[in-house]
Amino acid sequence: EAEVAQSPRYKITEKSQAVAFWCDPISGHATLYWYRQILGQGPELLVQFQDESVVDDSQLPKDRFSAERLKGVDSTLKIQPAELGDSAMYLCASSLNLLSSYNEQFFGPGTRLTVL
Amino acid sequence: KQEVTQIPAALSVPEGENLVLNCSFTDSAIYNLQWFRQDPGKGLTSLLLIQSSQREQTSGRLNASLDKSSGRSTLYIAASQPGDSATYLCAVTRETSGSRLTFGEGTQLTVNP
Repeated sequence: EAEVAQSPRYKITEKSQAVAFWCDPISGHATLYWYRQILGQGPELLVQFQDESVVDDSQLPKDRFSAERLKGVDSTLKIQPAELGDSAMYLCASSLNLLSSYNEQFFGPGTRLTVL
Repeated sequence: KQEVTQIPAALSVPEGENLVLNCSFTDSAIYNLQWFRQDPGKGLTSLLLIQSSQREQTSGRLNASLDKSSGRSTLYIAASQPGDSATYLCAVTRETSGSRLTFGEGTQLTVNP
């Protein structure tokens, strides 16, 4: 069964360091999402891509976060510099197409980030 | 701004019981509503998706209903099992902005053997 892949699964870093997360969506899925989930809360969208274009990055802290999906397939989310408040689960999801009427989102296993 | 609320925050039931989880949303202009399951420290597993034109969806022992006008959805789990223990999240997409999901904070379910 097709799955969303993410790496690493766990990352421990010190504040002020740079970290990067990678996501490979389900093959053929044009839309890719990065969500952040703080412990005990629901996920919140950071950035959304349709192919290689950013559709929504209104809640991405652009002074320290960046995201790219250069070839419209896999994606990288970067934080530089990391802060203590960035400790969270970072979830990647994909769906068939933004314009589809049945746009079910499928999530990867997530990357658990701990900033010390 | 869309707000999604899930009640109760936590629920503990004996094995075999039928149960209902509740989800409410403040803006009825939604496109889809999706229910997810999340095991501790894991990603989200999609359970059911209901389009705004639909009233309910069923998968095995799960049944989700949607009342868009009143801003409510329920997830019914029949004959609960210890393996159903997890956090259940509901999420909605806005009608006008594509498919960003707005999540509730979840209901933590424990099914006791």
